Amino acid sequence: GNSVTQMEGPVTLSEEAFLTINCTYTATGYPSLFWYVQYPGEGLQLLLKATKADDKGSNKGFEATYRKETTSFHLEKGSVQVSDSAVYFCALSDKTGANNLFFGTGTRLTVIP
Amino acid sequence: DTEVTQTPKHLVMGMTNKKSLKCEQHMGHRAMYWYKQKAKKPPELMFVYSYEKLSINESVPSRFSPECPNSSLLNLHLHALQPEDSALYLCASSRALSGNTIYFGEGSWLTVV
Repeated sequence: GNSVTQMEGPVTLSEEAFLTINCTYTATGYPSLFWYVQYPGEGLQLLLKATKADDKGSNKGFEATYRKETTSFHLEKGSVQVSDSAVYFCALSDKTGANNLFFGTGTRLTVIP
Repeated sequence: DTEVTQTPKHLVMGMTNKKSLKCEQHMGHRAMYWYKQKAKKPPELMFVYSYEKLSINESVPSRFSPECPNSSLLNLHLHALQPEDSALYLCASSRALSGNTIYFGEGSWLTVV
């Protein structure tokens, strides 16, 4: 079956620190992988995606590389800002008819000045 | 521009009320979704429409009734809800099913009293 395991939070970092949020997945076939971000009181925004092995998704200084050999899609940012404080969800789509998203449990990030 | 618009942003309703949540997208997407998100949890799929036809109903109680009047609009009709139905309801869309990226709206915060 399909599932996503995501690093437990919460994570608290100082501004300009390096961020890694771990995400591993189990899937049948070759899924697409996503990171969504949810700011307080808001809906989900697509942060980045990768559709095949070795693809790197990037946006707003965040990066994640689709690693088929380790079934991972870890999110990284070199220097976080207070405005990055949010909940981050790793998700996969198995590319079959339903196009359902399988989400991880979410990781809450708080960045302090 | 990836924009899914939801109204109202906040809704408080009694258990005997009938209300509706509305969702609109003008990206030409042919798949639309309703998700439910409880506090500190990832979103859960409720319904999927593909080309204006209901494609998936994830065993949602009949007090939730979806409607897709046209390719741009998606409604969720609410009747006789319970307090435990209080949640953030997220509408989303994608170009089609089968591996297409899903874009979410800001959500409608529903409180049932």
